Amino acid sequence: EAGVTQFPSHSVIEKGQTVTLRCDPISGHDNLYWYRRVMGKEIKFLLHFVKESKQDESGMPNNRFLAERTGGTYSTLKVQPAELEDSGVYFCASSQEWLAEDTQYFGPGTRLTVL
Amino acid sequence: DAKTTQPPSMDCAEGRAANLPCNHSTISGNEYVYWYRQIHSQGPQYIIHGLKNNETNEMASLIITEDRKSSTLILPHATLRDTAVYYCIAVLNTDKLIFGTGTRLQVFP
Repeated sequence: EAGVTQFPSHSVIEKGQTVTLRCDPISGHDNLYWYRRVMGKEIKFLLHFVKESKQDESGMPNNRFLAERTGGTYSTLKVQPAELEDSGVYFCASSQEWLAEDTQYFGPGTRLTVL
Repeated sequence: DAKTTQPPSMDCAEGRAANLPCNHSTISGNEYVYWYRQIHSQGPQYIIHGLKNNETNEMASLIITEDRKSSTLILPHATLRDTAVYYCIAVLNTDKLIFGTGTRLQVFP
């Protein structure tokens, strides 16, 4: 069974540019999550999809971040325009059920560097 | 979700058992204790979770005290590949994992 995949593995962009990160969850997993770790900080929750609906987006830092999951399969996270403080590693995770019923399986992450 | 407290770092000799403690004195009756780890440059990896009873799987054992105020993750025979940051997370029917600073486990030859 394929795990959670993320693309690209690395992205280097200049401040003000746009970047789109992609996450493919484990097949059949309705729940998809985005997390990130910015330099020197802890891993922080960003948002949670159940199928194509946003269940919880309380962790999204501001309106420069837009997450979508059209069709309830893969998800994209767009940062527009990117700022220096957006640099970090963005993780995607998926699960079949909510926590306490299931576990979240993480992808390898996308390392974003904003110059 | 309850806050957890872990030592910042620990060492363990290869082949020996690694015992990683976690305090969660404010945990509620319905909160699970989850353990994840992050090996350098990889995504967090699920290890084990439990509610009240001790649990064991192919990776580790989880010992939860009777009052549930603390727990210990046991890696029975640590290898160099177990070097990672280990996170103890208390979870109450929530959709998000709240990661703390974890314990950096260094396994040495």
